[in-house]
Amino acid sequence: DAGITQSPRHKVTETGTPVTLRCHQTENHRYMYWYRQDPGHGLRLIHYSYGVKDTDKGEVSDGYSVSRSKTEDFLLTLESATSSQTSVYFCAIGGLFDTYGYTFGSGTRLTVV
Amino acid sequence: AQTVTQSQPEMSVQEAETVTLSCTYDTSESDYYLFWYKQPPSRQMILVIRQEAYKQQNATENRFSVNFQKAAKSFSLKISDSQLGDAAMYFCAYRTGYGGATNKLIFGTGTLLAVQP
Repeated sequence: DAGITQSPRHKVTETGTPVTLRCHQTENHRYMYWYRQDPGHGLRLIHYSYGVKDTDKGEVSDGYSVSRSKTEDFLLTLESATSSQTSVYFCAIGGLFDTYGYTFGSGTRLTVV
Repeated sequence: AQTVTQSQPEMSVQEAETVTLSCTYDTSESDYYLFWYKQPPSRQMILVIRQEAYKQQNATENRFSVNFQKAAKSFSLKISDSQLGDAAMYFCAYRTGYGGATNKLIFGTGTLLAVQP
């Protein structure tokens, strides 16, 4: 979507390796989110950020860490990838008083083999 | 904690017909927002329609409308005159209205809609 990009779009990695996914926004939004999408589970929140260096855990944060050193970038790291982390990962952005839901990136399909 | 339930994993509709997708939610809050998102095979998440809890009037966007029943905590999506391009996964989502760090979207598990020609 305009104003938010995710990279890479696809990635295959081996079990046990670290992986970093990047979310970049040009909207200057304060809030950024990482979700994972799995069949039968919808989208579940992994981590979110409410400002530079301000992050918090979502409902499925185990095995993931995040960093936000500047407003426009929010990184998601799988410290040691496992097959259970095979998923589609979405980044989303939202403003403080944004009542129109969020703007989502196009997603990253990650396969851990 | 808030939860969102979509009890129909899959639905099918004939082209030009009307279909209703169900969504229920659980919350103790009085101020919140509800959304329907569409996810076509391209994987893009597209906002279809939103509803503010404090508004009694049901939201409408062209062929898409909702039936918001606040007391029953129900938020169904009606698609009229279904088109082939409506085929997608549809997600119902809840967001607290209080803003700040609690500003998170909670999603249902989705309903996969097929449109038959």
